[in-house]
Amino acid sequence: GENVEQHPSTLSVQEGDSAVIKCTYSDSASNYFPWYKQELGKRPQLIIDIRSNVGEKKDQRIAVTLNKTAKHFSLHITETQPEDSAVYFCAPNTGFQKLVFGTGTRLLVSP
Amino acid sequence: NAGVTQTPKFQVLKTGQSMTLQCAQDMNHNSMYWYRQDPGMGLRLIYYSASEGTTDKGEVPNGYNVSRLNKREFSLRLESAAPSQTSVYFCASRGQGGLYEQYFGPGTRLTVT
Repeated sequence: GENVEQHPSTLSVQEGDSAVIKCTYSDSASNYFPWYKQELGKRPQLIIDIRSNVGEKKDQRIAVTLNKTAKHFSLHITETQPEDSAVYFCAPNTGFQKLVFGTGTRLLVSP
Repeated sequence: NAGVTQTPKFQVLKTGQSMTLQCAQDMNHNSMYWYRQDPGMGLRLIYYSASEGTTDKGEVPNGYNVSRLNKREFSLRLESAAPSQTSVYFCASRGQGGLYEQYFGPGTRLTVT
């Protein structure tokens, strides 16, 4: 089955800095690479995703980059704001039924 | 359009008691899932249902049973609750035909004493 690791497990930045979270996976058949954000006490919600025929995708301050050869993809957040503070999960998968979520990265943005 | 709904929001059980967590979605999704999330941890898959009438075990199925009642509803049952099952339980659903995003319910916070 898929083996998923996220790094770092915690990340503290100052408001306005950039943050990068990396997700490595083992299944070379994975072709869908989402990032979910979970605020304290809330449900996880998709913030950005990428498919394997694309190397990078941007949506305002967030972006995801994919390196299929090395089997990792990263979440980039620029100009961080306090409301970006949350736990972020990756969940690389093949589009079939089972998903394995990474263990999460806790991002803290200090004003 | 309510998305994915779960009941109850909170529950306290004594060891050995049983209960059923309910989940429903109104997005006409084929696939539904149950996860548990322990404090400070990621999401671990308990069971999933790829379509009405089918269910499969996930990573941590022991101590749980599920029923896919119809396309909308997917319930999770704890037959004899144990303190190790204290957790937040999330239900999720996912569309078909290349629509891979999972939509989560608000969660059920369960405490077993």
